[in-house]
Amino acid sequence: GAVVSQHPSWVICKSGTSVKIECRSLDFQATTMFWYRQFPKQSLMLMATSNEGSKATYEQGVEKDKFLINHASLTLSTLTVTSAHPEDSSFYICSARESKETQYFGPGTRLLVL
Amino acid sequence: GQNIDQPTEMTATEGAIVQINCTYQTSGFNGLFWYQQHAGEAPTFLSYNVLDGLEEKGRFSSFLSRSKGYSYLLLKELQMKDSASYLCAVPGYSGAGSYQLTFGKGTKLSVIP
Repeated sequence: GAVVSQHPSWVICKSGTSVKIECRSLDFQATTMFWYRQFPKQSLMLMATSNEGSKATYEQGVEKDKFLINHASLTLSTLTVTSAHPEDSSFYICSARESKETQYFGPGTRLLVL
Repeated sequence: GQNIDQPTEMTATEGAIVQINCTYQTSGFNGLFWYQQHAGEAPTFLSYNVLDGLEEKGRFSSFLSRSKGYSYLLLKELQMKDSASYLCAVPGYSGAGSYQLTFGKGTKLSVIP
């Protein structure tokens, strides 16, 4: 199957700093990428949909000014957690859509905010 | 919107067979996915059903009944490495209007010797 990479795989940062997470589709072009967040023992919750060349679509309750998404090319989307706080500590997973019914997940980024 | 229900936890013995059930409610059915997720890792695709019936893929099989809003994942000849969470997911439109996957909370399967 197709490959989606995420970088970094884990990050520890101080409260108040910003963290950028990259999501890349390695062998296909993805006009749509998704950013999910997963807290312990919870399911994946969609945060936002990243659309190449246009603004991201944020789900209810997700602050667009705090979670900045940039989808600058057909193979790269970035999520920046600005002014991170301990409650932002979570497992962030991106996925890239290859077709309407097919999306591939990245390996995830574990964020710990101290 | 979409609503998915599956058991929280299950335990089964190595070598046995286990069935993980999923019931769903969705407006406009476009298939049902099963994913496997090991702790601390991203989900990996297992199966996609869009028509009624059983689809077999090695040790894993997935069943769908659209009229009942029901699916199950069947795992045969369980191995220790099958210990993971199994997520049922249906595509549909999110609250913000994105066409994406809605996941159930997952069933944590523990395989014991």
